[in-house]
Amino acid sequence: QVQLVDSGGGVVQPGRSLRLSCAASGFTFSTYGMHWVRQAPGKGLEWVAVISYDGSNKYYADSVRGRFTISRDNSKNTLYLEMNSLRAEDTAVYYCAKSIHGGYYYGFDYWGQGTLVTVSS
Amino acid sequence: QSALTQPPSVSGSPGQSVTISCTGTSSDVGSYNRVSWYQQPPGTAPKLMIYEVSNRPSGVPDRFSGSKSGNTASLNISGLQAEDEAEYYCGSYTSTNTLWVFGGGTKLTVL
Repeated sequence: QVQLVDSGGGVVQPGRSLRLSCAASGFTFSTYGMHWVRQAPGKGLEWVAVISYDGSNKYYADSVRGRFTISRDNSKNTLYLEMNSLRAEDTAVYYCAKSIHGGYYYGFDYWGQGTLVTVSS
Repeated sequence: QSALTQPPSVSGSPGQSVTISCTGTSSDVGSYNRVSWYQQPPGTAPKLMIYEVSNRPSGVPDRFSGSKSGNTASLNISGLQAEDEAEYYCGSYTSTNTLWVFGGGTKLTVL
């Protein structure tokens, strides 16, 4: 069965960096686009970034472009999100999510359990 | 402010039907059949309920159905059950540089 396990969250000071990971299993990871989606406390879902199956294409939300970097290691079945210059407004639960089809235009059929990032001094 | 507009809340009694709307623009819902719906009970990760406007993943009851007209997509839930109580989000591909947008969420209360 498909499983996505998010990790790497924690408390970090404004301006610092953090790297999130998502370990995937139960499907052929190297053939699917993968996303990060976040949810601030008590708020709705916000799409953050996507990476194509082979890592050659990456897209970002305006709110994180230039500060966050999505990447993947298909040999380890792992997705990453490198977050730099963190701000208080980046505080959220971060979920990795698998694309429904091989591309990344159709939504998300499986989600990780989420990892909480708190940006605070 | 979310890119897609949903009502903040809807409610219904067990056995009744409810519809949740999701209004976008010609850059997203109106031009692409890439609308999906997600159910999120409190404290849990979202779960896919409908994809590509009206397709149900395996395991999702046929009480859940989706449709679209113009710039507005809809999620219909018939035969309401207590377990349906949750937050529901719509999402859509967008041709803007954002790539993907969500609605603000609708809280479904089963009375």
